[in-house]
Amino acid sequence: DAEITQSPRHKITETGRQVTLACHQTWNHNNMFWYRQDLGHGLRLIHYSYGVHDTNKGEVSDGYSVSRSNTEDLPLTLESAASSQTSVYFCASSESTGADTQYFGPGTRLTVL
Amino acid sequence: TQLLEQSPQFLSIQEGENLTVYCNSSSVFSSLQWYRQEPGEGPVLLVTVVTGGEVKKLKRLTFQFGDARKDSSLHITAAQPGDTGLYLCAGVRKTSYDKVIFGPGTSLSVIP
Repeated sequence: DAEITQSPRHKITETGRQVTLACHQTWNHNNMFWYRQDLGHGLRLIHYSYGVHDTNKGEVSDGYSVSRSNTEDLPLTLESAASSQTSVYFCASSESTGADTQYFGPGTRLTVL
Repeated sequence: TQLLEQSPQFLSIQEGENLTVYCNSSSVFSSLQWYRQEPGEGPVLLVTVVTGGEVKKLKRLTFQFGDARKDSSLHITAAQPGDTGLYLCAGVRKTSYDKVIFGPGTSLSVIP
């Protein structure tokens, strides 16, 4: 069965370190998204990609970057982790536009000390 | 400023009771989605409503899109413990791309 996976599931890091969160999907979807989820804010879009070599900024992209070298993977990098980036991060993919069904991964809980 | 508001934020009810949760905005959406999220997992799409006034039913869950496409409601009949979770609404706005805006969610706990 097709799926979307994230790793690691939990990560603790220190302020200023570079961190990369992995996202891998076997749906063969062109569209992939990264969100962060914080209490009271719901899901906020960080970056999204509509295909290989395509990346776009979402509403909370400062301090984050992504790259899309193949269809299956969209790693999210925190260049210099800050305590404000402590959150739960979700990756999602969809077959068509963002209005299409988004299939979410299980999430990565990141703590920045 | 939240573009999408959900109420109530938290809801704890007994098994068998009925409930309604609301999703409101001052913005018009081309469609609206409802997701359910269980602890430690990602959200899962329940339904998409597209037409103003549209009503969709999914077993004991009834979803309605407001006539003006600015709000939506989710009604659960005879709630069961398996309904426990975080219910998220997401509005879709068509700009240069389909922008999906999530609400903060309603956390539902159904007590056996």
